[in-house]
Amino acid sequence: QVQLVQSGAEVKKPGASVKVSCKASGYTFTGNYMHWVRQAPGQGLEWMGWINPNSGGTKYAQKFQGRVTMTRDTSISTAYMELSGLRSDDMAVYYCARVRGWLQFLDYWGQGTLVTVSS
Amino acid sequence: NFMLTQPHSVSESPGKTVTISCTRTSGTIASNYVQWYQQRPGSSPTTVIYEDNQRPSGVPDRFSGSIDSSSNSASLTISGLKTEDEADYYCQSYDSSSSAVFGGGTQLTVL
Repeated sequence: QVQLVQSGAEVKKPGASVKVSCKASGYTFTGNYMHWVRQAPGQGLEWMGWINPNSGGTKYAQKFQGRVTMTRDTSISTAYMELSGLRSDDMAVYYCARVRGWLQFLDYWGQGTLVTVSS
Repeated sequence: NFMLTQPHSVSESPGKTVTISCTRTSGTIASNYVQWYQQRPGSSPTTVIYEDNQRPSGVPDRFSGSIDSSSNSASLTISGLKTEDEADYYCQSYDSSSSAVFGGGTQLTVL
């Protein structure tokens, strides 16, 4: 069965960086793009970008250009999302989500990683 | 680029039918498929409708989706409402640059 298991909660100071991991199992990791979506407390879902685990190619939401980096390690079937220059409004739950196919729906989601930004 | 606009909240009684709209602000709703996700408190989202009107296996046929070109919107309809349907619902599509776009979400209350 497909599973996406994310790393644990993080507490960071303003200006710092955070790197969240998403370990995939139950399918061929390089066969499906991985998206990252975040959700601030009490707010809606916000798309951050995707990575093609096969090629490493990425697409980032304009809002996060220059601050976000998505990478992957195919040897351990893990995707990463690193966000730099953290601000208080970056405090959110960050999700990885597998897309079924090109421009298709997000069929499996990780459990979410809470990132707290506080001085 | 476009946005997807949803009502902030809707409420209906158990056993009734509710429809949640998702209006595309520019471009045509039929340009890319629309998905609908359900998110219960404290949980990750799950798909209830994909490709405008398709249900993943395991989603009851009480859930249906459609698009309406005249209003440039997509709709999620839930019939025979149950208390377990109480959740937030998000529509999602893609723009021409392959970026995903989410609606702001609709809180469904079943009372």
